Amino acid sequence: ETGVTQTPRHLVMGMTNKKSLKCEQHLGHNAMYWYKQSAKKPLELMFVYSLEERVENNSVPSRFSPECPNSSHLFLHLHTLQPEDSALYLCASSQVSTGTYEQYFGPGTRLTVT
Amino acid sequence: QKEVEQNSGPLSVPEGAIASLNCTYSDRGSQSFFWYRQYSGKSPELIMSIYSNGDKEDGRFTAQLNKASQYVSLLIRDSQPSDSATYLCAVPSRGSARQLTFGSGTQLTVLP
Repeated sequence: ETGVTQTPRHLVMGMTNKKSLKCEQHLGHNAMYWYKQSAKKPLELMFVYSLEERVENNSVPSRFSPECPNSSHLFLHLHTLQPEDSALYLCASSQVSTGTYEQYFGPGTRLTVT
Repeated sequence: QKEVEQNSGPLSVPEGAIASLNCTYSDRGSQSFFWYRQYSGKSPELIMSIYSNGDKEDGRFTAQLNKASQYVSLLIRDSQPSDSATYLCAVPSRGSARQLTFGSGTQLTVLP
């Protein structure tokens, strides 16, 4: 248990659905991240929220939309996804002001797009 | 040149042996280095952090950092079948220490 929770743990959705992934961190951190991990591929950083600043990977399609209402909560809104979006979606958090940059991951959401 | 490179493996060692995992990085200014362990179907788990040249030991795990040669390694002594996992090396991303760049991982199998 790392102090980062994600819901749901598993999600199956059709290409026309809209769903949201939720992440919550209980570590008092000030940065949160969304990663995508496809089978046999490295971790891909999607979005970063750090000190109220958002950074995004320009290669992420617009059908993924992040939201960070406060430093403890992070959402990933999904709409009109494609089968190739099926992957493990990981949330992580870190305390960027201490200079250590360690990131702690949640358990992930296994997403299947049918 | 990739920011972080790891031997993709797979690496197999017999139970009780020393497993050696290596990682090289391109940014000479990197100050922090991390090893994560990821079991199949699970999320990455931070197992070691190292910030200074030399060795850092934690139980059966030893991280070794050589900044001059730009490599960091992870040694697992007395390897157990439960150590079978993918090990990810990570360093702060060039231009943004708020982000980490991960290697592609080395898959380790410890044979009973």
